[in-house]
Amino acid sequence: RKEVEQDPGPFNVPEGATVAFNCTYSNSASQSFFWYRQDCRKEPKLLMSVYSSGNEDGRFTAQLNRASQYISLLIRDSKLSDSATYLCVVNQHAGNNRKLIWGLGTSLAVNP
Amino acid sequence: EAGVTQSPTHLIKTRGQQATLRCSPISGHTSVYWYQQALGLGLQFLLWYDEGEERNRGNFPPRFSGRQFPNYSSELNVNALELEDSALYLCASSLVLSDWKTEAFFGQGTRLTVV
Repeated sequence: RKEVEQDPGPFNVPEGATVAFNCTYSNSASQSFFWYRQDCRKEPKLLMSVYSSGNEDGRFTAQLNRASQYISLLIRDSKLSDSATYLCVVNQHAGNNRKLIWGLGTSLAVNP
Repeated sequence: EAGVTQSPTHLIKTRGQQATLRCSPISGHTSVYWYQQALGLGLQFLLWYDEGEERNRGNFPPRFSGRQFPNYSSELNVNALELEDSALYLCASSLVLSDWKTEAFFGQGTRLTVV
């Protein structure tokens, strides 16, 4: 089982739709979680951080379920500009060691 | 404030040559990560440097190496280039280990093409 798994998609949704992505992680020692957005041929940029049960920022809601070891990202009222790849990232600590483990990303296309 | 800067933006090499990629982190950041993103694949972790030392390494052969300088900038060296090394190489910087809530900030990457 991969350390971080995401549904690759692509997700094709109309403008205004609500779309949800899930990300599962295998290491229960994982301590913090992030959703990054990556536009085509650009570098990833942080979208949201999740440290406790969840986080909400406007149309975006991230939720963490430690018991089931998954993180979700909900996008409401999708815009054309939301089209991108969404990367799930898990931050693990072990003593002085730290690892950022990246999912392969979920591709979203919002259509007019 | 300047973000993470990488150079060069594009690099074309032939098989067997060596490539050197450079990264300057955000001022105050001591950690530098290197990632490879090949076409159609996700971000693959290469190396992590902090305070001048290699802290962690991904599943890449030894011909991928690097270092971090006293000013926290970093170099990634790829020896004996192979065609499959063609990819976008991304550098990210973050604050120190003690703040587990930190995020990584990325540079715009170096696109390496091996022909």
